[in-house]
Amino acid sequence: DTGVSQNPRHKITKRGQNVTFRCDPISEHNRLYWYRQTLGQGPEFLTYFQNEAQLEKSRLLSDRFSAERPKGSFSTLEIQRTEQGDSAMYLCASSRGQGPSPLHFGNGTRLTVT
Amino acid sequence: DQQVKQNSPSLSVQEGRISILNCDYTNSMFDYFLWYKKYPAEGPTFLISISSIKDKNEDGRFTVFLNKSAKHLSLHIVPSQPGDSAVYFCAARLPSGGGADGLTFGKGTHLIIQP
Repeated sequence: DTGVSQNPRHKITKRGQNVTFRCDPISEHNRLYWYRQTLGQGPEFLTYFQNEAQLEKSRLLSDRFSAERPKGSFSTLEIQRTEQGDSAMYLCASSRGQGPSPLHFGNGTRLTVT
Repeated sequence: DQQVKQNSPSLSVQEGRISILNCDYTNSMFDYFLWYKKYPAEGPTFLISISSIKDKNEDGRFTVFLNKSAKHLSLHIVPSQPGDSAVYFCAARLPSGGGADGLTFGKGTHLIIQP
């Protein structure tokens, strides 16, 4: 059973550096979501794609954040000029997108900005 | 403003007993509700869901109840087992096509099953 895969699992970077995360969704899922989770909070919605189209972005997604899903398969999330407040778990999820269907999450990428 | 609220940060239950986790929401437009379970260093795992047209959904030891008039849902686990110890998140979604397609999560309840 190939679930949602995220790489890397952990990333430590210095403030001001750029980082990029990758997500490979479940193959037959056409919707892909990015969430962010900080300690003591539930996951917060960042953005989602239907195939290669980015259909919605949360106001949490500042200009320093960009997400792509160029061929409607894997997705990347890039954070430019990282700040300490960007330290969090970044979660990717995918779903079939037909009617109400649950999101299936990967194990996340934990980002630490020093 | 938090639209999905889980007011109990933690809950301790004896093994074999019933665990009841509660969730309240404020947006009456939510039409699909889900419960997720999360172990440390892992992503949330989908447990069970319910559409707003139903008031109960059951899957093995897990039952979700929805009270639309009270804007309240609960997850019952019976009997509780040690492997159920985890953080449980309640989540809700607006109707598709209306934007805001992502889930809105509560802050979670840490369930501890005591032997």
